[in-house]
Amino acid sequence: QLQLQESGPGLVKPSETLSLTCSVSGGSITDNNYFWAWIRQPPGEGLEWIGSIYYSGSTYYSPSLKSRVSTSVDTSENQFSLKLSFVTAADTAIYYCARQENPNIAPRGIDYWGQGTLVTVSS
Amino acid sequence: QSALTQPRSVSGSPGQSVTISCTGTSTDVGGYNYVSWYQQHPGKAPKLLIYADYRRPSGVPDRFSGSKSGNTASLIISGVQAEDEADYFCCSYARNYNWVFGGGTKLTVL
Repeated sequence: QLQLQESGPGLVKPSETLSLTCSVSGGSITDNNYFWAWIRQPPGEGLEWIGSIYYSGSTYYSPSLKSRVSTSVDTSENQFSLKLSFVTAADTAIYYCARQENPNIAPRGIDYWGQGTLVTVSS
Repeated sequence: QSALTQPRSVSGSPGQSVTISCTGTSTDVGGYNYVSWYQQHPGKAPKLLIYADYRRPSGVPDRFSGSKSGNTASLIISGVQAEDEADYFCCSYARNYNWVFGGGTKLTVL
């Protein structure tokens, strides 16, 4: 059974960089049928796709966040990471990592999610 | 990329059928067979209910079904149950390797 687990600081100061890592177990991050995604949810609000990465290192970002987002993948550790720079209070949210369909292969939805981690932006 | 449009809330009595709509454009919902639906209970991560517009993962009850017409996708819950009370989100692949979510719909079981 695939499992994903987010880790990283729960509190980030305004203007600093949010950094999270997602550890994948029970399956390989090099499975070519999938992308690996970051999705966030402000408290009481809806879901927002942040970006996705393929195991080769190809990255895809939301146009609204593209200037502040970077992602990376470490296939030897079976994990991938997110960095969001110049954060403000509007970036306060639950951040989820997830396994996502590879649109070059077939539609599969977002079938496995981490439990989510709350990141608060505050001084 | 604008969010997909969902009703803020829907309700139904146990045993009734409930439909949640998700409206996009020809560059997302209407352009690809990549609509998916998620159920989220309070404090929990979303759970995949429907993918590829209408396909259901194993383990999802068959009272959940999906359909699509033009730029609008729908989630149908046939015979809603108390445990179905939750938030529901649609999601679609959009062009150039983007994905967009709907704003979410709160289902109340009366």
